[in-house]
Amino acid sequence: DAGVIQSPRHEVTEMGQEVTLRCKPISGHNSLFWYRQTMMRGLELLIYFNNNVPIDDSGMPEDRFSAKMPNASFSTLKIQPSEPRDSAVYFCASSFVGYSNQPQHFGDGTRLSIL
Amino acid sequence: RKEVEQDPGPFNVPEGATVAFNCTYSNSASQSFFWYRQDCRKEPKLLMSVYSSGNEDGRFTAQLNRASQYISLLIRDSKLSDSATYLCVVKGGSGTYKYIFGTGTRLKVLA
Repeated sequence: DAGVIQSPRHEVTEMGQEVTLRCKPISGHNSLFWYRQTMMRGLELLIYFNNNVPIDDSGMPEDRFSAKMPNASFSTLKIQPSEPRDSAVYFCASSFVGYSNQPQHFGDGTRLSIL
Repeated sequence: RKEVEQDPGPFNVPEGATVAFNCTYSNSASQSFFWYRQDCRKEPKLLMSVYSSGNEDGRFTAQLNRASQYISLLIRDSKLSDSATYLCVVKGGSGTYKYIFGTGTRLKVLA
């Protein structure tokens, strides 16, 4: 079974550039989460979607960050313009949230470096 | 008070030792509990769910104490490959979508 698929695995770009991270959740899952992880701040929830609808984006750092989920099998996280402090590992996770509580499953992550 | 708290460690133990981690949570309405393992620069991976009656998976045993609001993970006969960070995750009831992660406990198993 395919797990959560993220792309790219690594991204190195200069500050000011637009960065787009992509995620394909596990088929059948109805919830998708974007996280950011750094040594200093640990794992932070940025935004989560349920049935393609953003439920809580309170973790999105600022207006430079945006996320979309146009359909059940695809989501993007965009940073525009990017800054060096955005450097981190970005994880996408999916789960089925319903009457039985299922765990989250994570993608491999995108390692983002902003120079 | 943090919603989910863990001792960051590191716990340094010799191979073959038994080691236990605890994790406390603040929301008494929490319904689902999980342990994840994260290796350096990798994604968190589900180790096991934690059930009310406690559960075991090979060398790993997880327990839940609702009265005291903590969960525990016991690793028996620890291996070098068990070295990782162990994350405690707590989720509310079926109407709640958020998974709350602890900051993790680092385990180093020494030869």
